[in-house]
Formats: sequence, C-alpha cells, structure tokens
Amino acid sequence: DTAVSQTPKYLVTQMGNDKSIKCEQNLGHDTMYWYKQDSKKFLKIMFSYNNKELIINETVPNRFSPKSPDKAHLNLHINSLELGDSAVYFCASSSMTGSSTEAFFGQGTRLTVV
Amino acid sequence: DQQVKQNSPSLSVQEGRISILNCDYTNSMFDYFLWYKKYPAEGPTFLISISSIKDKNEDGRFTVFLNKSAKHLSLHIVPSQPGDSAVYFCAARWNRDDKIIFGKGTRLHILP
Repeated sequence: DTAVSQTPKYLVTQMGNDKSIKCEQNLGHDTMYWYKQDSKKFLKIMFSYNNKELIINETVPNRFSPKSPDKAHLNLHINSLELGDSAVYFCASSSMTGSSTEAFFGQGTRLTVV
Repeated sequence: DQQVKQNSPSLSVQEGRISILNCDYTNSMFDYFLWYKKYPAEGPTFLISISSIKDKNEDGRFTVFLNKSAKHLSLHIVPSQPGDSAVYFCAARWNRDDKIIFGKGTRLHILP
C-alpha cells in the first residue's frame, strides 16, 4: 500500500495546455504539500494545505492552482503551461499534531513541457 | 536566499568506511532538522531527524549531530554500504510554520 501516491508519474504536454496532477495519501495526515524540484535539483515548497485550507502559498504563478477536496487529496492544476514549468513535482503529507516531524513524499511526477 | 546549505554536491566513500554529510543553516528559529535520502525516479524518503534541543540522535547506522552555536549539522553513516548510494537532502522546519526547507542535496557514492 503506497502511503502517498501521485498520478501520473510522467506527463509530456505542449506549451499552452492545461494539466492536472493528482495526489492522495492514506496516512491520515492533516497536512499536504506540493514541492517542485527544478533542473538545479532544488526542492522548493509551492503550497501547503492543512485540513483542506491553504496555509502556505509561496511565490508561485497563479497559473498554478491547488485544490483539496478532502484531507486525503491535494491536486495541482496548471493552466497555460510554459517551458519553464518542466520539473519534477512532489506531493507530500505530514501531521501537524503528534510527535513526528517528518513529511512523507510521493514518487514524483516528471512534467515535460514541449 | 538559501536557508539550508549543503556545500558538497557529491561525496565518494569506500564501502565499510564512515560517510559524513554536512549541512549548514542560517535561521536560528528552526526547531527540527531532518535528513532525507533520494534514489533516482523516486520521492525523498525520510531517514532521521533531530530536535533543536538535542545535539545527537542515533538510529542504527545513522547518527545526526547538531551544533547549534555553529548552525551546523552532520549525518554520519557507519559502516557505509552500497545501498547507501543516493542523494541526501538536509532539511529544516519551524514549529510554528509547517514548511520544510530543503538544501540542494549531496550525492553520495559508495565505492566497492
């Protein structure tokens, strides 16, 4: 059973298209994140949701819109894709209550915009 | 503005020896420090963490040391094994803000 799963694993699309990446966690966590790993391999946070509410929104173009239908899901929708959006996107989850401090990551979605 | 820095992009260590991965940070408000391991085409996997009130945490072959005055932490792996070859990310988080901030990673090669 995968704890944090995201689909698709690979996504190749043309500039200008709109695409979504889905994420689901079965850990019962209350907080979910989207991270972006760019070509320089930096892992940067994009968004964080706690109990379906947006709590962190880093400087990300508003073409990126996260949606959390429930605590177990955080999807990422990207409008008008640009070449610079090509990266690996990681979903993660953690619990803000309890003693553990770590976040659990999905396997990543490699987005290639051509 | 890198708040978590891993200045060595790569490190090669002989199998059986000790691997030491270093990390520096700039923000004294961090409450927790974490190490993640990442294989190609996989997501980062949590390895070990340490609270800012401690200076050492050990879990099997992995030990993390924290020097708050120097704003420095290190991950020791002993003995190093071939399966340890991966990219290691140092990370830190505030307690009040749930964001986890990552360093750029260090690629560890374990040589036979």
